[in-house]
Amino acid sequence: LAKTTQPISMDSYEGQEVNITCSHNNIATNDYITWYQQFPSQGPRFIIQGYKTKVTNEVASLFIPADRKSSTLSLPRVSLSDTAVYYCLVGFPMDTGRRALTFGSGTRLQVQP
Amino acid sequence: GAGVSQTPSNKVTEKGKYVELRCDPISGHTALYWYRQSLGQGPEFLIYFQGTGAADDSGLPNDRFFAVRPEGSVSTLKIQRTERGDSAVYLCASSPNAGYNEQFFGPGTRLTVL
Repeated sequence: LAKTTQPISMDSYEGQEVNITCSHNNIATNDYITWYQQFPSQGPRFIIQGYKTKVTNEVASLFIPADRKSSTLSLPRVSLSDTAVYYCLVGFPMDTGRRALTFGSGTRLQVQP
Repeated sequence: GAGVSQTPSNKVTEKGKYVELRCDPISGHTALYWYRQSLGQGPEFLIYFQGTGAADDSGLPNDRFFAVRPEGSVSTLKIQRTERGDSAVYLCASSPNAGYNEQFFGPGTRLTVL
């Protein structure tokens, strides 16, 4: 299994850019990197997915260096509503077994006013 | 459109009882997943359905847990002889097909075993 390591928690202030890094040293050639966001009492919500270099959508950017052993989720100008737990997952989208569906403990982001 | 729904939202039961948790996936989604989430932890995979069949049940912790999806839409997770350690939030997710990037999660059912 491609194990992921993330910081347990992070603090930020409204309007700041937040970068959450995930380490995945034994990522496989076919693996993609996916990030989910989870608010209290809700199920996780897909944020972004990428394979290499940079991916950007309306919510976040995902930076993946050439060796793909880590990735960084970037949230621009966070607001209080971005307070949540963020999960990094590594796996092959077509692999629907346990390997592709392994959530770690996530990073708890707290945004202060 | 409607998202994934789960019922009940909360279930309190006594040790040894039988419980059923229901998941209504997004219409047309062929892939359906069940997870269990304990406090402070990420979701833990239990079972995956592609259509009516359980394509991967390797995450089910023991034979007290069973899930069905008889018509390829609604799924029921069944837990026999519940134990206090089964207390958790049970999440259901669906996706258009097995290889789709994004899973759409329901709000979960909070199960408490007294």
